[in-house]
Amino acid sequence: DVKVTQSSRYLVKRTGEKVFLECVQDMDHENMFWYRQDPGLGLRLIYFSYDVKMKEKGDIPEGYSVSREKKERFSLILESASTNQTSMYLCATTGQLNTEAFFGQGTRLTVV
Amino acid sequence: GENVEQHPSTLSVQEGDSAVIKCTYSDSASNYFPWYKQELGKGPQLIIDIRSNVGEKKDQRIAVTLNKTAKHFSLHITETQPEDSAVYFCAPKEGKLIFGQGTELSVKP
Repeated sequence: DVKVTQSSRYLVKRTGEKVFLECVQDMDHENMFWYRQDPGLGLRLIYFSYDVKMKEKGDIPEGYSVSREKKERFSLILESASTNQTSMYLCATTGQLNTEAFFGQGTRLTVV
Repeated sequence: GENVEQHPSTLSVQEGDSAVIKCTYSDSASNYFPWYKQELGKGPQLIIDIRSNVGEKKDQRIAVTLNKTAKHFSLHITETQPEDSAVYFCAPKEGKLIFGQGTELSVKP
């Protein structure tokens, strides 16, 4: 079974803090994705990566950056957290481009 | 860029009835058409998918139909049960993994 593990289930951070959300997958998949999920807005793509040290902007990259130093780990970074970044964050991975995506359990981030 | 629209956004049915959710996409290069189910507190999970060389696929109570000419595909759930209550997402794909806005299905006993 593919396992996609997100480092925290719930996180509370203060405005202005630098926040790291970690995602680790154990299936040697090339492609990894970060989404945020808000009521009524579905899953919106923040950043994705097709390979180590490679990153591409998704639809809403503003206020975020990512890091992919190792194939199994894809980190989402909030450089200076703001209250409008309070959301559920989901990490996903796929082996080849047009195959099933596997998701982590999500991190519910609250910025106060 | 890709444009993915899902309808309806909410759907309420009685147990035993059928439910249909439609996904419309704009990228004519898409050739993989999956549907995901997200239960409360969990990440989405694939429930059925279809590739562009097939028009319909069925797996017990769920089926997916594809109309590539019209650029839409639909999820069909028959004999709905309360455990089918969840949010469903389509993700027509060629390259980036872009999801529809989701459909919240509620099955009333």
